[in-house]
Amino acid sequence: DGGITQSPKYLFRKEGQNVTLSCEQNLNHDAMYWYRQDPGQGLRLIYYSQIVNDFQKGDIAEGYSVSREKKESFPLTVTSAQKNPTAFYLCASIGQTSNQPQHFGDGTRLSIL
Amino acid sequence: AQSVTQLGSHVSVSEGALVLLRCNYSSSVPPYLFWYVQYPNQGLQLLLKYTTGATLVKGINGFEAEFKKSETSFHLTKPSAHMSDAAEYFCAVTSESGGSTLGRLYFGRGTQLTVWP
Repeated sequence: DGGITQSPKYLFRKEGQNVTLSCEQNLNHDAMYWYRQDPGQGLRLIYYSQIVNDFQKGDIAEGYSVSREKKESFPLTVTSAQKNPTAFYLCASIGQTSNQPQHFGDGTRLSIL
Repeated sequence: AQSVTQLGSHVSVSEGALVLLRCNYSSSVPPYLFWYVQYPNQGLQLLLKYTTGATLVKGINGFEAEFKKSETSFHLTKPSAHMSDAAEYFCAVTSESGGSTLGRLYFGRGTQLTVWP
């Protein structure tokens, strides 16, 4: 079945450490998104990419970085510059038109050790 | 600019009662509207969407929503709540305007639905 796979499900970060969250999709979708979810704040956009080798900052990009070397993959790195990284991270993708819904992965929960 | 307001961060109903989750949006262009449901530690699952055409939209699990342009609303309803409906619900808006980010969604803050037996 087509879908979005996020890994790992749970991740722990030490102080000063960078960690990378994986997002892979086999839906042949062009656009991919990373959201951060905190209780009571809904989903906030971190980065998005509409085509390979191109990506744009969202509303809360500071302390994060991404790459889009392949259409299927959009990994997110949470850098040591992100001082409050504890959150639930969701990856999503969409096909070629905005009237189609975004498909979501099952998320990665990141915590600080 | 686009935005979504969900009135009520928590809603509680008894099993069998009407569910009403409120969503108001702001958009300068014709909107596309979505309702998603999220169960604990999972991603978002699409309940229903409005793009064009009929303003009353039916979704999965017996949910429906009505697009009211004059009220800029897209409230989610279900006639009879079930225990399995307990989850968090998100309303989202996007649009097909020239130069906009493809498919970028603007989310409300979510409404946690509790269903009492």
